[in-house]
Amino acid sequence: AQKITQTQPGMFVQEKEAVTLDCTYDTSDPSYGLFWYKQPSSGEMIFLIYQGSYDQQNATEGRYSLNFQKARKSANLVISASQLGDSAMYFCAMIGGSYIPTFGRGTSLIVHP
Amino acid sequence: DVKVTQSSRYLVKRTGEKVFLECVQDMDHENMFWYRQDPGLGLRLIYFSYDVKMKEKGDIPEGYSVSREKKERFSLILESASTNQTSMYLCASSPPQGTSTEAFFGQGTRLTVV
Repeated sequence: AQKITQTQPGMFVQEKEAVTLDCTYDTSDPSYGLFWYKQPSSGEMIFLIYQGSYDQQNATEGRYSLNFQKARKSANLVISASQLGDSAMYFCAMIGGSYIPTFGRGTSLIVHP
Repeated sequence: DVKVTQSSRYLVKRTGEKVFLECVQDMDHENMFWYRQDPGLGLRLIYFSYDVKMKEKGDIPEGYSVSREKKERFSLILESASTNQTSMYLCASSPPQGTSTEAFFGQGTRLTVV
């Protein structure tokens, strides 16, 4: 069985500052993918970034980067230069050998002006 | 542009009604999923399907059933709606045997059972 843990129910950040959203995972699958999604108040799930379990380098997509520490089983999302539009729910997810996406409980991020 | 479409954005139903939530994808994906999302609980898997006519129970299948008669369509059925099924329902699809491709989501259905 696979499990995703997000321990921060809510986070606050000042506009233009960086913020890290924590995610730890547990799996016995040798090959897996880690994903982050953003969910604004409108409800749609927006894919942000992907990291493969065999990738040596941390993934980056614009202002998003994924701090992947395989030995610690962590996949933290870093948002640089926060913007007001970054206020949303953020979900960490994993896809392993069963090909079923498993999600964490989410972190609510509020960006203050 | 890939798309997953859910039939309703908002739905209000009465206790005891049979409710159908429809989901259609145009990406020719084999895998389809139904999740429910509740505050503080994240996304919990209700049912999933790896292929046409095939269905498997997820973590919280009680009170739900599904139908997949065509590859592109995956329907969630609430046999007799109850107030504790008031929730946000999300449908997703993904390609077969893929750990490197994200799941694609519909826009969600906010269901209220009164």
